Amino acid sequence: EDQVTQSPEALRLQEGESSSLNCSYTVSGLRGLFWYRQDPGKGPEFLFTLYSAGEEKEKERLKATLTKKESFLHITAPKPEDSATYLCAVRVSNDYKLSFGAGTTVTVRA
Amino acid sequence: GAGVSQSPSNKVTEKGKDVELRCDPISGHTALYWYRQSLGQGLEFLIYFQGNSAPDKSGLPSDRFSAERTGGSVSTLTIQRTQQEDSAVYLCASSPSVSYNEQFFGPGTRLTVL
Repeated sequence: EDQVTQSPEALRLQEGESSSLNCSYTVSGLRGLFWYRQDPGKGPEFLFTLYSAGEEKEKERLKATLTKKESFLHITAPKPEDSATYLCAVRVSNDYKLSFGAGTTVTVRA
Repeated sequence: GAGVSQSPSNKVTEKGKDVELRCDPISGHTALYWYRQSLGQGLEFLIYFQGNSAPDKSGLPSDRFSAERTGGSVSTLTIQRTQQEDSAVYLCASSPSVSYNEQFFGPGTRLTVL
C-alpha cells in the first residue's frame, strides 16, 4: 500500500529562520509528487510537482527537492504569511487519485 | 479565471438526514475528484469522474455515499442517513483530464452531523 509520511507534524519558526519539511514515500511506480499549501478554512493550493529524483522547483521563498525516497520543502527566510499547513501527495502510475500525507503545520512568528 | 466552487460552504444536519454537496469544476475540466478531510486524518480519496463516468468508486466509505455528474460539469455528492462520523470537510478538485497530473481544489464544504 502506498504510504506518505510527513515530518515534523508542526514547526514553529522565527521570521527569517530557514528550515525544511520532510515527506517520505513508499510507492510503486511514482508518477508525480505534489506539494500543496492549505490555509485554515480553505482548500489546498497547488505549489509544485516533482517527477524524478534530482528534480528541484522554486517559488519565492519555497524550494522543493526530490530523491528516490523522500522530498523536502525548504523555506528560506520565512515570513509570517508563510504560516500554513503544507501537504505532500503522491500519484502512482495507472491510478488517478492523490495519496496525501498528514501535513506539516508551519507557524512563523514576526 | 474562476476556480473550483463548492456549495454550501457549511452544512449542519441532524443524524439520519440526507445531505447533498455540490461541486462546480473549473470550466473545461473533464476530470473531477472528491476527497474528505477529517480532523486528525489526512485527505482521503472518495471518487473520481472522467466526464460523466465514475470508473473508480472504491474510496466511498459505505453505500450511504453516492455521487453523480451530469453534463460533464457539476457534480453532486450525496450522503444518505448521515452519521456523526461523516462530519468532515468535503473537498472537490478538478483537472483538464485524468491524465493531467495536477489537481486543483475548491474551498470545501464543512459538514457537521449533530
